[in-house]
Amino acid sequence: GAVVSQHPSRVICKSGTSVKIECRSLDFQATTMFWYRQFPKQSLMLMATSNEGSKATYEQGVEKDKFLINHASLTLSTLTVTSAHPEDSSFYICSARGPVADTQYFGPGTRLTVL
Amino acid sequence: AQTVTQSQPEMSVQEAETVTLSCTYDTSESDYYLFWYKQPPSRQMILVIRQEAYKQQNATENRFSVNFQKAAKSFSLKISDSQLGDAAMYFCASFGNEKLTFGTGTRLTIIP
Repeated sequence: GAVVSQHPSRVICKSGTSVKIECRSLDFQATTMFWYRQFPKQSLMLMATSNEGSKATYEQGVEKDKFLINHASLTLSTLTVTSAHPEDSSFYICSARGPVADTQYFGPGTRLTVL
Repeated sequence: AQTVTQSQPEMSVQEAETVTLSCTYDTSESDYYLFWYKQPPSRQMILVIRQEAYKQQNATENRFSVNFQKAAKSFSLKISDSQLGDAAMYFCASFGNEKLTFGTGTRLTIIP
């Protein structure tokens, strides 16, 4: 139980284009989902907290106009990287707050490469 | 604010032996949870073990157990009977004030 999927697993795009990443909780409802970014050989950095039906809460230093988050249902949150640039290339991971209190279950991640 | 410190960037252990990964944390929250996550080469974050701070009893999951010392703000992970599949990055994390804060990780190598 408590499975989270993420799609796509990897994406390559040209500079200036937008990319959407989907995060789904498959066997539970998640009122809260989280988006992280992980640079090579580093830890996870929280980008934003996504609550179903309301605006996302962004961490300090994260551009909310560049990283658009939508949590339209209890099982789906999306992250759209708008006008992507090479410096946005990274590994993006989502998580969902699961059925066990205060425990997050992670998706498999999306590797974004911006050319 | 929360901080999580893992002072061992790398550790290695012989297969079938026991290894302990260290973690210390600091938090201003009175109610919080502590976790160990494992990230193998696939980069999928996998929950290893969870500890509720208000519980004195140390959590155990099969070969994985923790030594939770609340006063010292220490939360170490013990892996018994190490297996090749245990090779991964291990992240200690603290959840409080609606946020999960990770340490910098410990890379565990299993020596056959």
